[in-house]
Amino acid sequence: DGGITQSPKYLFRKEGQNVTLSCEQNLNHDAMYWYRQDPGQGLRLIYYSQIVNDFQKGDIAEGYSVSREKKESFPLTVTSAQKNPTAFYLCASRSQGLNTEAFFGQGTRLTVV
Amino acid sequence: AQSVTQLGSHVSVSEGALVLLRCNYSSSVPPYLFWYVQYPNQGLQLLLKYTSAATLVKGINGFEAEFKKSETSFHLTKPSAHMSDAAEYFCAVIGRPGTASKLTFGTGTRLQVTL
Repeated sequence: DGGITQSPKYLFRKEGQNVTLSCEQNLNHDAMYWYRQDPGQGLRLIYYSQIVNDFQKGDIAEGYSVSREKKESFPLTVTSAQKNPTAFYLCASRSQGLNTEAFFGQGTRLTVV
Repeated sequence: AQSVTQLGSHVSVSEGALVLLRCNYSSSVPPYLFWYVQYPNQGLQLLLKYTSAATLVKGINGFEAEFKKSETSFHLTKPSAHMSDAAEYFCAVIGRPGTASKLTFGTGTRLQVTL
């Protein structure tokens, strides 16, 4: 089935460590997105990519990094510079065109221990 | 930059009552607007989208939304709430052309449905 897969579902990180969240899609979508979700704050955009080998910072990019080496994959690294990384992370993809909707993965819950 | 504002972080209705979730947008160009639903610990699912073809948009699960340019609103409604509608609802807008399809969400409204 076509879809977007995030892994792992739960992730624990020690303070000072970098961790990478995986996002893979087989929908042949050009655009991919990473959002962070905290209670009461909705979804805040971290990074987005319109095309392979290109990406833009969203509203809260500090402490995060991404790569887009393949159309299907858009991994997010949460670095030690991110001071409050505990959150629910959502990946999405969509095809080109302003009226096309985004499809979401099931999310990764990251907890700092 | 385009943005959306959702009024009311929590809404409670009785089963069978009207559901009204509010969303106002800010845009200097015709916007492309979406409503999504999220169940606990899951991703988001599209309910409906406005693409300028019609001002009244019908979505899944009996939801609909009306685009009102004069009020810069895109409120979500359902005539009769069901217990299964309890979830969090997000309004979203696509950025203007030239900003690489930036998709921005509101802060969400949690819908509670009581017996």
